[in-house]
Amino acid sequence: DAKTTQPNSMESNEEEPVHLPCNHSTISGTDYIHWYRQLPSQGPEYVIHGLTSNVNNRMASLAIAEDRKSSTLILHRATLRDAAVYYCIQGTDTGNQFYFGTGTSLTVIP
Amino acid sequence: KAGVTQTPRYLIKTRGQQVTLSCSPISGHRSVSWYQQTPGQGLQFLFEYFSETQRNKGNFPGRFSGRQFSNSRSEMNVSTLELGDSALYLCASSPRDRGNGYTFGSGTRLTVV
Repeated sequence: DAKTTQPNSMESNEEEPVHLPCNHSTISGTDYIHWYRQLPSQGPEYVIHGLTSNVNNRMASLAIAEDRKSSTLILHRATLRDAAVYYCIQGTDTGNQFYFGTGTSLTVIP
Repeated sequence: KAGVTQTPRYLIKTRGQQVTLSCSPISGHRSVSWYQQTPGQGLQFLFEYFSETQRNKGNFPGRFSGRQFSNSRSEMNVSTLELGDSALYLCASSPRDRGNGYTFGSGTRLTVV
């Protein structure tokens, strides 16, 4: 069962930053926080993941709350190609099984 | 670097038949997971293999099975197909154990008629 909570949808203007929130209040000390996104007619695409510290890569930044019960995916400048469903996933501590929730559908407005 | 390859891309089967789907992970990746995606249920975890061993299994009936070969390639099989098995089946691979990012394939679209 999905263990994370995300808003169903969000909108952003093109070239503006986007902050996608996620709550994972039942996360254990060894669970990672993963973010994937899925464009129409494609498989999910890895975005970023982290354990405790904030993480940055070429696609996005991940800000993890100090108590680890929530996190925020930050897209620094939204483009039309960023329009997708974004999934926040709490990684299990028994293996690599992901329980996807319904995700956040991001609409980018030109 | 080749991505995760799933074959076939599209498949139409009749109710009651069985089907085998194939997944070739990225070279060097030892972990392979399978997911089912439907409009009603979203993405659901089927099972995960690591070094030819099934480590985890989702909440699916026994009609759904899988295996992984020594070269990390994986297959999943669905027997006695039902209309509700129509879905996009996605395979994902990862180079090592937990906490690592997965690369997904484009999926196999199965239609059961």
